[in-house]
Amino acid sequence: DAGVIQSPRHEVTEMGQEVTLRCKPISGHNSLFWYRQTMMRGLELLIYFNNNVPIDDSGMPEDRFSAKMPNASFSTLKIQPSEPRDSAVYFCASSQANYGYTFGSGTRLTVV
Amino acid sequence: SQQGEEDPQALSIQEGENATMNCSYKTSINNLQWYRQNSGRGLVHLILIRSNEREKHSGRLRVTLDTSKKSSSLLITASRAADTASYFCATDAYAAGNKLTFGGGTRVLVKP
Repeated sequence: DAGVIQSPRHEVTEMGQEVTLRCKPISGHNSLFWYRQTMMRGLELLIYFNNNVPIDDSGMPEDRFSAKMPNASFSTLKIQPSEPRDSAVYFCASSQANYGYTFGSGTRLTVV
Repeated sequence: SQQGEEDPQALSIQEGENATMNCSYKTSINNLQWYRQNSGRGLVHLILIRSNEREKHSGRLRVTLDTSKKSSSLLITASRAADTASYFCATDAYAAGNKLTFGGGTRVLVKP
């Protein structure tokens, strides 16, 4: 298994632009998580899905953020419009029941 | 505030020495997990200890859990330069569903 695959690895965009981050979880994992990591705030859970259904999006900072999981093998996190304070590393992780998470390599987003 | 908080925030040791870091949390948990993150990379799952377990080993890693004190420790024995990384504890709390809350991490530097 190739693990959790995220794309792109790096994204530099101008303030106001739409940004879409992508994630392919491990086949057979029924939970998917989006985290954001910054020096100031550490790792923050943004949203998670069980069996493709959003369960808890209380960590999504604003309406500018949205996430979808149209099927078991794909999820997107969209920011529209992006702002400089959205600059961070965004991680996707997947898991099966009460086992450890497998994280992707992350997307480093820079909004200028 | 974060559910899990690590102590110390940073640790510097010589190769061959043992490294110990602690994690405290606030609410009842299903399990507690430890992760490692190398600079610029995603988190890697190290070990999971369930609430009814007190100690667990994996190679050079030893994890303890004291639910009465709401604390856990991670011991890395005979450290190597390759162990240089940040280490995070994460709690799967009863009240939080199947999602993990991460602490701020301990940065470990192993000097050759």
